[in-house]
Parts: sequence; C-alpha cells; structure tokens
Amino acid sequence: KAGVTQTPRYLIKTRGQQVTLSCSPISGHRSVSWYQQTPGQGLQFLFEYFSETQRNKGNFPGRFSGRQFSNSRSEMNVSTLELGDSALYLCASSSFGGRSEAFFGQGTRLTVV
Amino acid sequence: DQQVKQNSPSLSVQEGRISILNCDYTNSMFDYFLWYKKYPAEGPTFLISISSIKDKNEDGRFTVFLNKSAKHLSLHIVPSQPGDSAVYFCAASSGTSYGKLTFGQGTILTVHP
Repeated sequence: KAGVTQTPRYLIKTRGQQVTLSCSPISGHRSVSWYQQTPGQGLQFLFEYFSETQRNKGNFPGRFSGRQFSNSRSEMNVSTLELGDSALYLCASSSFGGRSEAFFGQGTRLTVV
Repeated sequence: DQQVKQNSPSLSVQEGRISILNCDYTNSMFDYFLWYKKYPAEGPTFLISISSIKDKNEDGRFTVFLNKSAKHLSLHIVPSQPGDSAVYFCAASSGTSYGKLTFGQGTILTVHP
C-alpha cells in the first residue's frame, strides 16, 4: 500500500509570490490534514479536509488556503509569501480524522527568499 | 497556551536499557493519543497510539501508558537501540477535533552504543 505522497519535496520562492503544494493520501483515506513545522513553533495545525469539505482550521491568516478533490488528493496554497512562511509543510492522511491513526508524508521544504 | 507538553527537551540512554519519554496534557477533551518518531527534514513516523478507554497499549518494543487522572502519558522503549535515536513527539486529539492533532514540542532521544 503506497504511503502519503507530497510534491514537490523542495521549493524556493520569492517574497510576494504564491505557492501550491500537493498531497496524495493513502488509498481509502478520506481525511487530509496540513501542518507547518518551524523550529520556533513546532508542529502547528493548518486545516483538515474530509470528503472535499474543510472541517477544521487552525490559527493561520487567510493567505493559507486549501482544497480537497473527489479522489481525496489535497492542495494547499499560500499567497503573498513572507519570509516567515519558510517551513516544512506536512500533510497527514487518516481514515476519518478524529480518533484514528494519522500517517504523514515526507513534507515539502519551502524556503522564501 | 500549550495543551500538550513534553517537558524534557532531550534524553540520553545506553543501548539495551529502557527509554522513557513523558508527555502531559491539559485539555480534558483529549481522548486519543499518539506517539511519533521524526528525523530532521522528514515527516513524522507513526509509532503507537492509545485510546482513553485503555491505560496501556503495547506493540513490540514500544509500550504507551496513559494516566487519565494525572493527564499524563509515557512511551517506554525496551530495549533501546541506536536506531531509535530521533525526535519523539506525542500528539493528542478528540472526537470533535476533526483531524487536528495537537503536538508537544518533542524530546530528542539519543541512544548510545
């Protein structure tokens, strides 16, 4: 069974640009969550999608958005990039969110210059 | 407001001995707990989980103990191996958190040969 796949693995963008990251969950999993990891803040929850609906959102500005497609693949978008958006972005897939095991992808390392 | 805390930033253990990693939480709504192992620039790897209806769960060398009254959980690794050296995160969720995991800050485990 294939794991969670995130693309691209590495990305360098300029301040003010926008970026789209992709996540393909484990087959059969309908919940996809996104996290940001930085040295100072640790792992912070961005949002969760289940069956194409955003069910939960963390405390991030509106520049961070996402969506989920009918095949459960998800994308997250960050607009008007700031230097502070440099981080490891991780996606996690689980059967139904909540009380279930969540499996993470390798992450996308975003560097904003 | 850090709802999940790992108070030991680091732990050093001799190969073959027991490693005990601790985690405290404050939100009484949390009812599902997970432990992850993480290497730099990679996604967390799921290790073991426990539901609040149990006080112990075992999987090979890994055992998680949950003390609900103290809002405390611990991960025991026996015997410890050098390959266990990594950052360990505990995470918590609730039935209504819809895919949101709240993570501790992590503990760096070093197992010496």
